[in-house]
Amino acid sequence: DIQLTQSPSFLSASVGDRVTITCRASQGISHYVAWYQQNPGKAPKLLIYAASTLQSGVPSRFSGSGSGTEFTLTISSLQPEDFATYYCQQLNSYPITFGQGTRLEIK
Amino acid sequence: EVQVVESGGGLVQPGRSLRLSCGASGFTFEDYAMHWVRQTPGKGLEWVSGISWNSGSIGYADSVKGRFTISRDNAENSLYLQMNSLRPEDTALYYCAKDMGRRPSAPDYWGQGTLVIVSS
Repeated sequence: DIQLTQSPSFLSASVGDRVTITCRASQGISHYVAWYQQNPGKAPKLLIYAASTLQSGVPSRFSGSGSGTEFTLTISSLQPEDFATYYCQQLNSYPITFGQGTRLEIK
Repeated sequence: EVQVVESGGGLVQPGRSLRLSCGASGFTFEDYAMHWVRQTPGKGLEWVSGISWNSGSIGYADSVKGRFTISRDNAENSLYLQMNSLRPEDTALYYCAKDMGRRPSAPDYWGQGTLVIVSS
């Protein structure tokens, strides 16, 4: 099975900061990575698919990059509504797997 | 409006079975892969199972393989998860999610979940 390791697991930042979350795969997964945002008590929301394609309706301050085994999600200028938990997911092969999550909190 | 609505959760004893359902509307159900994803309160997301548009490709997490069965009825716009030999560690909120493509590419619409509690 393909393991995904996100770093950091916890991130404290301020409004206006630029932040980057990394997702590393235990083996190559081409560009088959998606990123999600989840707020407490809510279902996950798709932000990025195919490693770097922005989902319709998602603000352009979110961006994704990477291929192979290393991927990043970047938020260029944090807004108050961005403080949430973020997950990466690989869909290269079954079983599909998620990273353990990165909790982004206000400093 | 795209909607997926889960049902069938509840309290069940260890070793028993439960069948979850997911009703879909607002899109051509037969054209998209579907997924089940679960989440234990306060913990991360765990992908459980996925099925391609025509049921030709199916996958399971190792933790449920051999106990859970995913299926779909394209005529009824419905997705199912038959869960057998349930264990306490299967306790979670179970989400149904629509994929963007015919085969798994990224779940883009999620339901609000149905809660399964496995306890004696």
